[in-house]
Amino acid sequence: DVKVTQSSRYLVKRTGEKVFLECVQDMDHENMFWYRQDPGLGLRLIYFSYDVKMKEKGDIPEGYSVSREKKERFSLILESASTNQTSMYLCASIPGGYSPNQPQHFGDGTRLSIL
Amino acid sequence: AQSVTQPDIHITVSEGASLELRCNYSYGATPYLFWYVQSPGQGLQLLLKYFSGDTLVQGIKGFEAEFKRSQSSFNLRKPSVHWSDAAEYFCAVGPTTNDMRFGAGTRLTVKP
Repeated sequence: DVKVTQSSRYLVKRTGEKVFLECVQDMDHENMFWYRQDPGLGLRLIYFSYDVKMKEKGDIPEGYSVSREKKERFSLILESASTNQTSMYLCASIPGGYSPNQPQHFGDGTRLSIL
Repeated sequence: AQSVTQPDIHITVSEGASLELRCNYSYGATPYLFWYVQSPGQGLQLLLKYFSGDTLVQGIKGFEAEFKRSQSSFNLRKPSVHWSDAAEYFCAVGPTTNDMRFGAGTRLTVKP
């Protein structure tokens, strides 16, 4: 089974802090994704990555950046955290190439609170 | 771009009763369609998926879903709900699984 591990289940930070959310997958997947989940809005894509050092903006990239230095690890960075970034953050991965039959595999999420 | 609507924010059913969760999508061609379930404090687990072929697909935990092209719908069903089915359910659609859009979710409460 694919294992997607998010380093923190709960995180509390202060406004203006630089925040790192880490995600690691163990299946050598090329593609990785970061979503935020808010009540009534479902999951919205922040950024995704097709390979090491490759990244693409999703639907709501403002206020976020990402880093993919190793294939198995995809980090989400809040450069200067704000209260409106309080949310649940979910990481997902999928094999690369054209893989229409492969569903995304999700981590358990990080619930981030910005005070 | 594709979009997904789950009209019901919250549904309550009695244990043992049947369940249907609605999902409507907007997309120009036949998309890839998924249902995921999220238990409290957990990530999303895939219940079932549809790509092509038989429009009635079976998933895990006794769930099934039916693709109706004429109605742009992909509703999730279960004949008899168990208390452990209480969770949030998300429908997702995309031209590929690299480019998916998720609905807002339907929260299911199961009454004893």
